[in-house]
Amino acid sequence: KAGVTQTPRYLIKTRGQQVTLSCSPISGHRSVSWYQQTPGQGLQFLFEYFSETQRNKGNFPGRFSGRQFSNSRSEMNVSTLELGDSALYLCASSLGPPGLETQYFGPGTRLLVL
Amino acid sequence: GQNIDQPTEMTATEGAIVQINCTYQTSGFNGLFWYQQHAGEAPTFLSYNVLDGLEEKGRFSSFLSRSKGYSYLLLKELQMKDSASYLCAVNDDYKLSFGAGTTVTVRA
Repeated sequence: KAGVTQTPRYLIKTRGQQVTLSCSPISGHRSVSWYQQTPGQGLQFLFEYFSETQRNKGNFPGRFSGRQFSNSRSEMNVSTLELGDSALYLCASSLGPPGLETQYFGPGTRLLVL
Repeated sequence: GQNIDQPTEMTATEGAIVQINCTYQTSGFNGLFWYQQHAGEAPTFLSYNVLDGLEEKGRFSSFLSRSKGYSYLLLKELQMKDSASYLCAVNDDYKLSFGAGTTVTVRA
């Protein structure tokens, strides 16, 4: 069974631009969570989607948004990029709610904002 | 809110044992996970504890005490490939809150 895939793997943007990242979960997994990982802050939860509905949200500004499609694929969008948004963005999928079911992580998208 | 603490770095010798502690204070608790993350790679699942006690899985064991808000990951018979970051994560109201991670370096 294929693992979680994320595209693109690397991205360079400039301040003020917007970016869309994509995540395809493991087949059959309906829950997709997004995390931001930076050396200083570690892994920070962004949001979680299940059956196209956002069920949980972390403490990030409204510039960070996401959505999930009927095939469980998910996208996250960051508008008006800031230098501090440079990070590794990880997507994780699970059969059910995170914490009750094991989450499997994708390889991540490394975003650099100049 | 949540507060999850684990040591930043640990160093040990090949073949030795290392214990990584994790303490947490969260508004909700529905289980604790340990993940391993090699440099430049995605985190991979190691263990899950929801009840007090020890869970053993090969060379890796994880312990949980809910009353103390404490867990540890025990790595036995260390191998060079165990050099990685180890992340403690708490299921806090059905979202995972992660500690900053413990970087373990295994020396020959």
